[in-house]
Amino acid sequence: DTGVSQNPRHKITKRGQNVTFRCDPISEHNRLYWYRQTLGQGPEFLTYFQNEAQLEKSRLLSDRFSAERPKGSFSTLEIQRTEQGDSAMYLCATTGAVGTEAFFGQGTRLTVV
Amino acid sequence: SQQGEEDPQALSIQEGENATMNCSYKTSINNLQWYRQNSGRGLVHLILIRSNEREKHSGRLRVTLDTSKKSSSLLITASRAADTASYFCAPSGNTPLVFGKGTRLSVIA
Repeated sequence: DTGVSQNPRHKITKRGQNVTFRCDPISEHNRLYWYRQTLGQGPEFLTYFQNEAQLEKSRLLSDRFSAERPKGSFSTLEIQRTEQGDSAMYLCATTGAVGTEAFFGQGTRLTVV
Repeated sequence: SQQGEEDPQALSIQEGENATMNCSYKTSINNLQWYRQNSGRGLVHLILIRSNEREKHSGRLRVTLDTSKKSSSLLITASRAADTASYFCAPSGNTPLVFGKGTRLSVIA
């Protein structure tokens, strides 16, 4: 257990539905990252927060994806109008200072049917 | 991009043998990190080597860094079946960690 908690662990949804995932970071970590990973690939960076500010968003992140970290603690990642191509593992990671060790959650596996 | 590129993509060895995987990158870095990922799980941090260090050890792990060649290697000595996993390098500067496709290591008992 790394101290980073992600919920749910698994989500199956029908195409076109909206889904929301949650990440609870290590409390003293002010940086939080979201990644997406498909089979056989490495984690693909989506977005990151420093406290409540969203500092960077990947160009790969379509407008159907939105992330929030309202009080600089937990974060949510929402996917609207899900597509089959959204099926993947969604990983959350947190760090203290930039460039330090990242702690990953166990991920949320999304299956869009 | 500070993405690292791991090589080989896949490696299969017998238990007890050493496993070496390499990482190349393109930009200047503050440090380079290695992570392991077991199937279906999150990544776990293994070791961090700073840009002014050339070699670092942690248990059965040995990491080298050559900033002039922009490359790093991870050596796992006396491998065990439990070392079977994917391994990722992450060159780190002032931007979020970016990962390549990793090296898939299979240790056969």
